[in-house]
Amino acid sequence: EIVMTQSPATLSVSPGERATLSCRASQSISSNLAWYQQKPDQAPRLLIYAASTRATGIPARFSGSGSGTEFTLTISSLQSEDFAIYYCQHYNNWPWAFGQGTKVEIK
Amino acid sequence: EVQLVESGGDLVQPGGSLRLSCAASGFTFSDYWMSWARQAPGKGLEWLANINIEGNEEYYVDSVKGRFTISRDNAKNSLFLQMNSLRVEDTAVYYCAGGSYGRRDRWGQGTLVTVSS
Repeated sequence: EIVMTQSPATLSVSPGERATLSCRASQSISSNLAWYQQKPDQAPRLLIYAASTRATGIPARFSGSGSGTEFTLTISSLQSEDFAIYYCQHYNNWPWAFGQGTKVEIK
Repeated sequence: EVQLVESGGDLVQPGGSLRLSCAASGFTFSDYWMSWARQAPGKGLEWLANINIEGNEEYYVDSVKGRFTISRDNAKNSLFLQMNSLRVEDTAVYYCAGGSYGRRDRWGQGTLVTVSS
């Protein structure tokens, strides 16, 4: 089974600054990776799929990159509504797996 | 408006059973693969099961294999999760989600299952 590891666990960022989140797969998953945002008491929201394709309605400040085992989610200029937990998830083969999440908090 | 609405969550004793439902509206349900995921209190997300469009292919994570069954009724735009032999560690918010290939771009609000004596 593929294990997804995210870093850092917590990222403290000031509004307007850039945030860079990392995700590593224990083996190659090609570009079969999604990123989700989750706010307290809400369902996850799909941000990125196929490693770099923004989902419908997702602002351009969110971008994804990477392939194989190393992936990055970048939020170019953090807005107040972006403070949340972010999960990467592979769908290369079953069982799918999420990373443990990165909490983006206000600095 | 695309909507998924889960129901059926409850307090149940260890060893008990529960059936969750997910009602879909605002999109063509029969065009999408569907999934169940869960989130234990204060913890991360875990995929549980996938079902294909026709309802004849099912995939389960090892922790629920043999205990949980995913199914769907395309005529009623509904997804189900039959949960048997429930354990304390199954306590979580259960989400239904749908999408194409590996992405899940539509999610319900979740339903809470508590397993406790």
